[in-house]
Amino acid sequence: GAGVSQSPSNKVTEKGKDVELRCDPISGHTALYWYRQSLGQGLEFLIYFQGNSAPDKSGLPSDRFSAERTGGSVSTLTIQRTQQEDSAVYLCASSPGIGDTQYFGPGTRLTVL
Amino acid sequence: RKEVEQDPGPFNVPEGATVAFNCTYSNSASQSFFWYRQDCRKEPKLLMSVYSSGNEDGRFTAQLNRASQYISLLIRDSKLSDSATYLCVFRGGGADGLTFGKGTHLIIQP
Repeated sequence: GAGVSQSPSNKVTEKGKDVELRCDPISGHTALYWYRQSLGQGLEFLIYFQGNSAPDKSGLPSDRFSAERTGGSVSTLTIQRTQQEDSAVYLCASSPGIGDTQYFGPGTRLTVL
Repeated sequence: RKEVEQDPGPFNVPEGATVAFNCTYSNSASQSFFWYRQDCRKEPKLLMSVYSSGNEDGRFTAQLNRASQYISLLIRDSKLSDSATYLCVFRGGGADGLTFGKGTHLIIQP
């Protein structure tokens, strides 16, 4: 079946602009996760959703980052007033439930000029 | 001490050889352990879970040593297609998401 999809696959933006990244989880998966991978760094966990609820937002790097999920499906990660240090690959994963195997999407490569 | 430590490599290994690498973790409350594989500019994919009793999947063997807080991955009869970055991953200890190491880069040479 279809895996996790993310859009756009690449995004180049200017410093100070807002960007919105989208994640479509595997159908039926209730848990959804956002990570980012900066050049030469490991994956960094940002936030997860159980259904439409995000119990813990403390992993978000700053208050410029926000995420939401509606209808228990699609999620968007929004970065306001982007900075160059936001440049990274943003990966989304989903799992049938919390604690189950996570399946990753192909990621969105964000470049902030 | 970093949460997860892995030798970044690269490990250059001839095809057919056996290669092993370890990963140490600092959070003793970690509950679940995994090895993920990541190809260049691709997303991570689960290679195998790691169980306390040790587990094998074809040419791959994973082991967990809770007392010394490390996990290991052994690859036998390595193939060119095994070339990738191998990520040590754990969950638990208060973290809802997965915690990833920076990975070990493996290059299998013909």
